[in-house]
Amino acid sequence: DVKVTQSSRYLVKRTGEKVFLECVQDMDHENMFWYRQDPGLGLRLIYFSYDVKMKEKGDIPEGYSVSREKKERFSLILESASTNQTSMYLCASSLWGTGDYYGYTFGSGTRLTVV
Amino acid sequence: KNEVEQSPQNLTAQEGEFITINCSYSVGISALHWLQQHPGGGIVSLFMLSSGKKKHGRLIATINIQEKHSSLHITASHPRDSAVYICAVINFGNEKLTFGTGTRLTIIP
Repeated sequence: DVKVTQSSRYLVKRTGEKVFLECVQDMDHENMFWYRQDPGLGLRLIYFSYDVKMKEKGDIPEGYSVSREKKERFSLILESASTNQTSMYLCASSLWGTGDYYGYTFGSGTRLTVV
Repeated sequence: KNEVEQSPQNLTAQEGEFITINCSYSVGISALHWLQQHPGGGIVSLFMLSSGKKKHGRLIATINIQEKHSSLHITASHPRDSAVYICAVINFGNEKLTFGTGTRLTIIP
């Protein structure tokens, strides 16, 4: 029962291309997040959204933008892909006031290679 | 200094051993996650806890809010437990996660 779906597992793009990474969740969560994971640096937050059409910069937003036109979908956009954006990208969603619930769910990741 | 520190960074043990991974944090949190990532795989949330202790199968997670410390224990470890285990805290008030750098666990048959 997949709950957070990332559209691609592996992706290879050329330098300068515009790249869209899609994330869809079916749990009616308000919050959605994009992280990237790099060896030695761990997971870092790129952008997040608390509601439709809302977006907030995370720790490393440079070179990225996002779109959230519908509650269930959060897209990460690389306007002009560069080799230093080669990474594993993880989408997650969560629900406010989760308490003891499993309110934070991750997608399976997209491994992007920019050549 | 990282806001979330894990120890050890790497751990190799024999099958059947009792495993403990530790996590200390320095920020105010609303909850803490233990995550598991197999090589080349996505991330699975094992536990989310805000107090006390949780158990799921051979996995046990504890948290001490006053001491800002959590532990993940694995009893009767098995080679399929080999993975990276990541501690992540939900920052109080904004739902953002701050991650530890992970503990790479290898269980030898």
